[in-house]
Amino acid sequence: GAGVSQSPSNKVTEKGKDVELRCDPISGHTALYWYRQSLGQGLEFLIYFQGNSAPDKSGLPSDRFSAERTGGSVSTLTIQRTQQEDSAVYLCASSLPWAGEQYFGPGTRLTVT
Amino acid sequence: AQTVTQSQPEMSVQEAETVTLSCTYDTSESDYYLFWYKQPPSRQMILVIRQEAYKQQNATENRFSVNFQKAAKSFSLKISDSQLGDAAMYFCAYRSLYNNNDMRFGAGTRLTVKP
Repeated sequence: GAGVSQSPSNKVTEKGKDVELRCDPISGHTALYWYRQSLGQGLEFLIYFQGNSAPDKSGLPSDRFSAERTGGSVSTLTIQRTQQEDSAVYLCASSLPWAGEQYFGPGTRLTVT
Repeated sequence: AQTVTQSQPEMSVQEAETVTLSCTYDTSESDYYLFWYKQPPSRQMILVIRQEAYKQQNATENRFSVNFQKAAKSFSLKISDSQLGDAAMYFCAYRSLYNNNDMRFGAGTRLTVKP
């Protein structure tokens, strides 16, 4: 079936505005992850959802970041009052429960001007 | 905490030749997964190869193979007969078998393939 999809592909926003990034995981994948990748850097874990369990928010860098997952499927990452240091690629991944590999979406490139 | 180290920020290989990318990791767990992901300029992370720690046999996927040394906590990726399309960032990753949200990535190695 279809892979992980993310929208928008690119987002340019002004400092101080709120943004919403969307992730649609592979059907049947109950685990969903958000990562942040700054230019030329590795992946920074943000948040993890598993089924109906409480999410692991330990990687969120500040209270301006939040995420939700509706109906165990689509997830939205919200960044409030964006700052220039929020500029990065935001990657979403999904996996089967207790499976090894994660499958990644194409990412959203966020630019805060 | 588990950490993943890729000591080669950049590597270069001539087309059709072989290159090896290094990765070491630190863990106190005995069972886990290891992965190599490829990220081309399109930024889509693509799984290249996976290895379960309990398997002694090194994983192989076509031109890609690994050298998994569990005692040394080393997990290198060998790319044979390199192709222009292999040019990308390569990330080594560790995932706990027991903690579903514990997946760690190395900083990446940028591979250039020269024609």
